[in-house]
Amino acid sequence: DTAVSQTPKYLVTQMGNDKSIKCEQNLGHDTMYWYKQDSKKFLKIMFSYNNKELIINETVPNRFSPKSPDKAHLNLHINSLELGDSAVYFCASSQSFGSGNTIYFGEGSWLTVV
Amino acid sequence: DQQVKQNSPSLSVQEGRISILNCDYTNSMFDYFLWYKKYPAEGPTFLISISSIKDKNEDGRFTVFLNKSAKHLSLHIVPSQPGDSAVYFCAARVETSGSRLTFGEGTQLTVNP
Repeated sequence: DTAVSQTPKYLVTQMGNDKSIKCEQNLGHDTMYWYKQDSKKFLKIMFSYNNKELIINETVPNRFSPKSPDKAHLNLHINSLELGDSAVYFCASSQSFGSGNTIYFGEGSWLTVV
Repeated sequence: DQQVKQNSPSLSVQEGRISILNCDYTNSMFDYFLWYKKYPAEGPTFLISISSIKDKNEDGRFTVFLNKSAKHLSLHIVPSQPGDSAVYFCAARVETSGSRLTFGEGTQLTVNP
């Protein structure tokens, strides 16, 4: 019974295509995130939504557009994919803001742009 | 500017011995620190955390130590088990920034039987 699930797990696509990664959490959390793990293995936050409202947007190109239809879902749409977008994208969730609130991660979506 | 650094990309220890993973940070505003563990093809999972008002937090075989003056924290695993073999990420956050975590680059721990 996966707490944070994201699909697809693996995605290979050509440059210029548009793709989406979906994320759902069944933990009842009100905050969801997208993190990117690049080739250097750093995990960096991209976006955060609290109660469907965007609260963190870390200088991510406009080609990346998160959409949160409800508190349990946060999808990531990427337009005009570039080679540099190849990375592992992790969805995550937590309950509200503030210290001490554990962030739970999904298993990751491996995106390869060719 | 990497605010959280894990200078050892890998660490190898024998089963039963102590594993010590280190993490340094530069942002003095960080007031909460976490360790995450990651197996291949899985997402990071929360392991243990510590608030800046403490210098030690223990949970079973895992203990995290915080030295604020040195801006250094460490994770001790004792005794180490083969199942502990994974990548360990150090993370930090500033309470006023909410749940935004800044991660280190991770340390691959290998525990040999």
